[in-house]
Amino acid sequence: GAGVSQTPSNKVTEKGKYVELRCDPISGHTALYWYRQSLGQGPEFLIYFQGTGAADDSGLPNDRFFAVRPEGSVSTLKIQRTERGDSAVYLCASSLGPGLATTGANVLTFGAGSRLTVL
Amino acid sequence: KQEVTQIPAALSVPEGENLVLNCSFTDSAIYNLQWFRQDPGKGLTSLLLIQSSQREQTSGRLNASLDKSSGRSTLYIAASQPGDSATYLCAVNPDSNYQLIWGAGTKLIIKP
Repeated sequence: GAGVSQTPSNKVTEKGKYVELRCDPISGHTALYWYRQSLGQGPEFLIYFQGTGAADDSGLPNDRFFAVRPEGSVSTLKIQRTERGDSAVYLCASSLGPGLATTGANVLTFGAGSRLTVL
Repeated sequence: KQEVTQIPAALSVPEGENLVLNCSFTDSAIYNLQWFRQDPGKGLTSLLLIQSSQREQTSGRLNASLDKSSGRSTLYIAASQPGDSATYLCAVNPDSNYQLIWGAGTKLIIKP
């Protein structure tokens, strides 16, 4: 697609429920990133995919968080047993591939985010 | 552990003024640094990327500088306009991928 698409844009759920957030990256982008942004703070890295595999999942806060990208395109971030502290905007971004081009051609493009509110 | 700080947290200036936003980081071993713009309800937009070997980058009315040894970067905005109102974030990249480490941002308001 023309940009990075994230759904849903807003999700309100109750504590303890299971949530899935979807990211559809730019066509042809092999690298996909998930970040989480709490109110008044900068984004926090969660996980990075290169193709179908998670190249770095060191940012996932605990084992309630899991992400997949089975066909190397769309990714789903899954949160089990949600807690109020999980409330944040979850941002997805994609880029052409690993590494950064010095010309800036391999720019990182963000989606508009999915705002998750856990009551 | 790398930490990124942005000061001030908020800034309000009249239209037409030149202004500087500041970003500092604690570990000088960075691959590059980026400045982003964030508008409410929209995604982050990359403004400028400075490689660790570079001192500055320019795009239109924006100029970003990098002093790696002192752990500082500045974003200079010339002749500010109301459309420049947004939150500006700097992010440090520790390696060649995009596991960025972010500041909390500076919320900029340009008054007409």
